[in-house]
Amino acid sequence: QSALTQPRSMSGSPGQSVTISCTGTSSDVGGYKYVSWYQQHPGKAPKLMIYDVSERPSGVPDRFSGSKSANTASLTISGLQAEDEADYYCYSYAGSHTWVFGGGTKLTVL
Amino acid sequence: EVQLVESGGGLVQPGGSLRLSCAASGFTFSDYAMNWVRQAPGKGLEWVSFISGTAGSTFYADSVKGRFTISRDISKNTLYLQMTSLRAGDTAVYYCAILTGTVTDYWGQGTLVTVSS
Repeated sequence: QSALTQPRSMSGSPGQSVTISCTGTSSDVGGYKYVSWYQQHPGKAPKLMIYDVSERPSGVPDRFSGSKSANTASLTISGLQAEDEADYYCYSYAGSHTWVFGGGTKLTVL
Repeated sequence: EVQLVESGGGLVQPGGSLRLSCAASGFTFSDYAMNWVRQAPGKGLEWVSFISGTAGSTFYADSVKGRFTISRDISKNTLYLQMTSLRAGDTAVYYCAILTGTVTDYWGQGTLVTVSS
């Protein structure tokens, strides 16, 4: 049950694109389609941004997209906006009704 | 509207016990497996425990196995987390959550547990 590996911090200017990676193993990220991404603002509960690797819930801007290759999932945010500044967490099903989260990435919009 | 409301957090001494509750509404409680997820101050999210819809199956993170017990009372639409032998490292905001890996994903607002002497 080791945490998935994410960069601790990333930054970008308004209008730019950033891609956050999430690396696991064949027992979690690489083994299932259940990879999701959360956005969390300070003091708030996490908000689902991407599920099933690349699907967006209704209401999430299409600037947010997800993908996966082997044991690494990615979240891309295009056209960065100030309100995108937050912590982002990936999480994956890890088998036997267990889940594993990434360590989180603090995104700063410059 | 799905609502999950946690309660029961507070200050407890190392070695002590605490029971968290999560009142669920807006959905058929027995239809969904439930989870507890925690977040230590300034740290990331950590999955803690899972219980199936009928409470027939439970699973735990290695960090809490043998110390925490998850349960649910379907008649009260309430999820519980009994925590014993608490350590400083258990200090966190505890969220109850419906996690499915799909668009069905709901979280409460969390309850803070502080383990300190």
